[in-house]
Amino acid sequence: QVQLQQWGAGLLKPSETLSLTCAVYGGSFSDYYWSWIRQPPGKGLEWIGEINQRGSTNYNPSLKSRATISVDTSKNQFSLRLSSVTAADTAVYFCSRVGIPWGQGTLVTVSS
Amino acid sequence: DIQMTQSPSSLSASVGDRVTVTCRASQGIGNYLAWYQQKPGKVPELLIYAASILQSGVPTRFSGSGSGTDFTLTISSLQPEDVATYYCQKYNSAPRTFGQGTKVEVK
Repeated sequence: QVQLQQWGAGLLKPSETLSLTCAVYGGSFSDYYWSWIRQPPGKGLEWIGEINQRGSTNYNPSLKSRATISVDTSKNQFSLRLSSVTAADTAVYFCSRVGIPWGQGTLVTVSS
Repeated sequence: DIQMTQSPSSLSASVGDRVTVTCRASQGIGNYLAWYQQKPGKVPELLIYAASILQSGVPTRFSGSGSGTDFTLTISSLQPEDVATYYCQKYNSAPRTFGQGTKVEVK
């Protein structure tokens, strides 16, 4: 069964860049879009963006100017970078793909 | 962009009750609609995709219906373990927007 495992820094200062990586185990990148989703504490789910194996990306317009999603097919990994973070970016971040369990989630806290 | 609106935002029902959650898209999305269940402190889990297809392992008391702009998630007989927040998500095209969630509690 395909599994997702994610990692990245959990504590950032305002204006820093968030960086998270998600590894795909037990399957390939073929034919799917791989997504990042976030959830601020006590709030709902927000779709951040997605990438496919060819590197084609789509982003939430509200984050497009700050978010960059990349892929490394040689490692079966995809990554999220979110620049110029503020306290409003404090959230649990998930990696996902339709039809399989999401990554375990990473709490990212932005605080000075 | 297409907006997804869920109703109600929360509900409380008794064990054994039939529970219905509605999701409305601001434009037609065919049947490209998924439902997720998120229990407190847990990762969301897929319940239903393609509007009405039950994900493997999901209890059959859950069902989904609808197409176009109006969709429904039904729990035929609410159980204590169904306490959770439920989200719909459109996936016909980007952005793959979620509804704001419906919190289901047991009386």
